[in-house]
Amino acid sequence: ETGVTQSPTHLIKTRGQQVTLRCSSQSGHNTVSWYQQALGQGPQFIFQYYREEENGRGNFPPRFSGLQFPNYSSELNVNALELDDSALYLCASSPLAKSSYNEQFFGPGTRLTVL
Amino acid sequence: AQKVTQAQTEISVVEKEDVTLDCVYETRDTTYYLFWYKQPPSGELVFLIRRNSFDEQNEISGRYSWNFQKSTSSFNFTITASQVVDSAVYFCALSEDQAVSNFGNEKLTFGTGTRLTIIP
Repeated sequence: ETGVTQSPTHLIKTRGQQVTLRCSSQSGHNTVSWYQQALGQGPQFIFQYYREEENGRGNFPPRFSGLQFPNYSSELNVNALELDDSALYLCASSPLAKSSYNEQFFGPGTRLTVL
Repeated sequence: AQKVTQAQTEISVVEKEDVTLDCVYETRDTTYYLFWYKQPPSGELVFLIRRNSFDEQNEISGRYSWNFQKSTSSFNFTITASQVVDSAVYFCALSEDQAVSNFGNEKLTFGTGTRLTIIP
């Protein structure tokens, strides 16, 4: 069974640019969540997608957007990058939503640096 | 609003010593879940344990043990006979009950983490 994978591993962008981060969910998982982890901090919830629709959002501006595809892979898009967007971005997938507890499986993350 | 506090930013102990990582949480929910995750240098979060708010029994798994005290809103994590491989950042996290959540699955609220260094 393949785990959660993310690409790219590292990325360097300049302020004002746009970036797309990708996540492949674990097989059989239809829910994906994205977290931002700034240096020295705990992960912060960005949003969650369930069956290709946003299913909840944290305290992040609209320039953070996402997509989930029919194969349950996902993208995180960030427009108009700011220096404070520099962080580790973690993707987590889990199986069937709105049922008993479903553990989230995290990917290794994408390290984004904004210069 | 939910909040998780890990007051210990960094801890260093000599190998084979026992170490306890503290976690204090705040929530208005009567039903919730508590978690511990390990984050090695590779960055991936490794799930260690989940505890339902109704289950206050302590748990032991090998060298790991967890002490959940609802009266003090604490969920502490102890590693006995620490090893160098235990060196990592450890996060405590909280989620609301999925049955009443607007989310399909839990939105995790993390603490700021404790960096544990085991000195050989």
